[in-house]
Amino acid sequence: SQELEQSPQSLIVQEGKNLTINCTSSKTLYGLYWYKQKYGEGLIFLMMLQKGGEEKSHEKITAKLDEKKQQSSLHITASQPSHAGIYLCGAPNTGNQFYFGTGTSLTVIP
Amino acid sequence: DTAVSQTPKYLVTQMGNDKSIKCEQNLGHDTMYWYKQDSKKFLKIMFSYNNKELIINETVPNRFSPKSPDKAHLNLHINSLELGDSAVYFCASSQTSSTSLHFGNGTRLTVT
Repeated sequence: SQELEQSPQSLIVQEGKNLTINCTSSKTLYGLYWYKQKYGEGLIFLMMLQKGGEEKSHEKITAKLDEKKQQSSLHITASQPSHAGIYLCGAPNTGNQFYFGTGTSLTVIP
Repeated sequence: DTAVSQTPKYLVTQMGNDKSIKCEQNLGHDTMYWYKQDSKKFLKIMFSYNNKELIINETVPNRFSPKSPDKAHLNLHINSLELGDSAVYFCASSQTSSTSLHFGNGTRLTVT
């Protein structure tokens, strides 16, 4: 089965700092998705990357996909308390399923 | 309008009981899923259901059974609840298995 490993597992940053979360796949990626879960709520779709080298941005969040390395990174610039939550990467496999990474818990200290 | 809705939001029950969690999506999606989120916040897929094709994660006990009365609904029925079943269960849907998922807000199940 496909495995997605995220690092770090948890992150505590001061407001205004930049941070990066990584997602590494054990198998070939056929697209990579980033989600955010606010504590106690459902997941919110952030962005989808489909091609190697692709980079997308949404507000202060930028994600890149490195297909060769089977890896994606999520970068937040000038973090704010509203960025706090759990970030999950997810990817489809060749079967009919969608797998998630292990999650990164982000705390932003005002 | 809520795209993927789950009910109930909270469910507290005793060991040995049978319970169901309902999920409905109004997005016209073809694929629906159930995920279990453990105490470490790791999401594990339990089932995916696409055009009447059910794919089951082999690690899911057979006490768990999904029921889909129609394309817009995928309910989760659990028999003989155990303490270890306590978790947050998320329903999700997607147009196909390779497009982004839309999640419900989760159902927090507590078995006492």
